[in-house]
Amino acid sequence: DAGITQSPRHKVTETGTPVTLRCHQTENHRYMYWYRQDPGHGLRLIHYSYGVKDTDKGEVSDGYSVSRSKTEDFLLTLESATSSQTSVYFCASLAGNEQFFGPGTRLTVL
Amino acid sequence: QKEVEQDPGPLSVPEGAIVSLNCTYSNSAFQYFMWYRQYSRKGPELLMYTYSSGNKEDGRFTAQVDKSSKYISLFIRDSQPSDSATYLCAMSAVGGGADGLTFGKGTHLIIQP
Repeated sequence: DAGITQSPRHKVTETGTPVTLRCHQTENHRYMYWYRQDPGHGLRLIHYSYGVKDTDKGEVSDGYSVSRSKTEDFLLTLESATSSQTSVYFCASLAGNEQFFGPGTRLTVL
Repeated sequence: QKEVEQDPGPLSVPEGAIVSLNCTYSNSAFQYFMWYRQYSRKGPELLMYTYSSGNKEDGRFTAQVDKSSKYISLFIRDSQPSDSATYLCAMSAVGGGADGLTFGKGTHLIIQP
């Protein structure tokens, strides 16, 4: 267990509003990830970080931005939420060869 | 064609049966192969991690990789009701999936008591 927490765990928001999801890990892991999970698609990579202020895009990065100002925190921002961003968002961090996942954030965009 | 194909199920088997789960993939650069288990409304947990072709066994679980066929499998022996979950295959070209993992859709497994 990498001690990964995500906040909030549930959120309902309206189209066009900005949303920020937080991932916090206590193990000083260098690599962190944001995935989204949707029925029929499985988990897909949004963005990842390989160190403080070092980030890169994943498969489905459009409409999302990330920031990592501290090793322990990785933020995912939806600048202007759309209904297509309704999903379950998982954060992960890498220890050795294993990615440890957080409990997920269930986001609904109305 | 999606990079990783996995039958979503559901797959329902009686307790004690041998379960076979599998994935096919198209990207020949994938070298690292993983199986994750995900219980309802929880995050995925790593079950098996293998590199390149071959078999790996851990308790009741065996992972097989056939890179020539681009086919991976997970076998569960003596299945238990507690094995009921969604099983996700994942793979990457880089160790640990450092630049991100590519997942299958997941197979929903139900073990009937």
